Amino acid sequence: NAGVTQTPKFQVLKTGQSMTLQCAQDMNHNSMYWYRQDPGMGLRLIYYSASEGTTDKGEVPNGYNVSRLNKREFSLRLESAAPSQTSVYFCASKVQSGNNQPQHFGDGTRLSIL
Amino acid sequence: DQQVKQNSPSLSVQEGRISILNCDYTNSMFDYFLWYKKYPAEGPTFLISISSIKDKNEDGRFTVFLNKSAKHLSLHIVPSQPGDSAVYFCAASAQSSGSARQLTFGSGTQLTVLP
Repeated sequence: NAGVTQTPKFQVLKTGQSMTLQCAQDMNHNSMYWYRQDPGMGLRLIYYSASEGTTDKGEVPNGYNVSRLNKREFSLRLESAAPSQTSVYFCASKVQSGNNQPQHFGDGTRLSIL
Repeated sequence: DQQVKQNSPSLSVQEGRISILNCDYTNSMFDYFLWYKKYPAEGPTFLISISSIKDKNEDGRFTVFLNKSAKHLSLHIVPSQPGDSAVYFCAASAQSSGSARQLTFGSGTQLTVLP
């Protein structure tokens, strides 16, 4: 019962370095999401993929790119990391984008950028 | 501009008593509301939800109430247990373009249940 798996769990980067955060789900869900959580704030949507082959911007997409590699995997890439991108990143998945069903979350990637 | 607000960053209650967590929203297009629970170093876990066609939904010790006219929802936990100590996030969604639904989260309330 893995659900949503995120790798790595922790990472420290230097400003300007690039990095890809990996996410995989084994629930045969169509929709996948990337969020960031900052202290005192709720989760904010970075990008999402309503279905395999599609991606769309969320609330805070600047500085990020995504790839929906296949139905199971959705990666988030920081091309040139900035200290403002220090955050906890959560991946989530859902059966279908348009229905009233909850999203299921991974345990997060804690990213620090120095 | 926060569309979903949880104005109480923290709440402490005694074990066995009722915990009431509150959430306000501004977007009248929201029609589905959820509560998530989050423990440290873990991802949010879905707790309970409610559609805008209802005003109450109950699941064991957890009940969510929705007051659409006031744009307010609340989560009641009765009786509260020490294991309920966690951060609780309120979230809301509306049908957006292309039939996709996105979640908008509140900032969370840290609940501490004292033994």
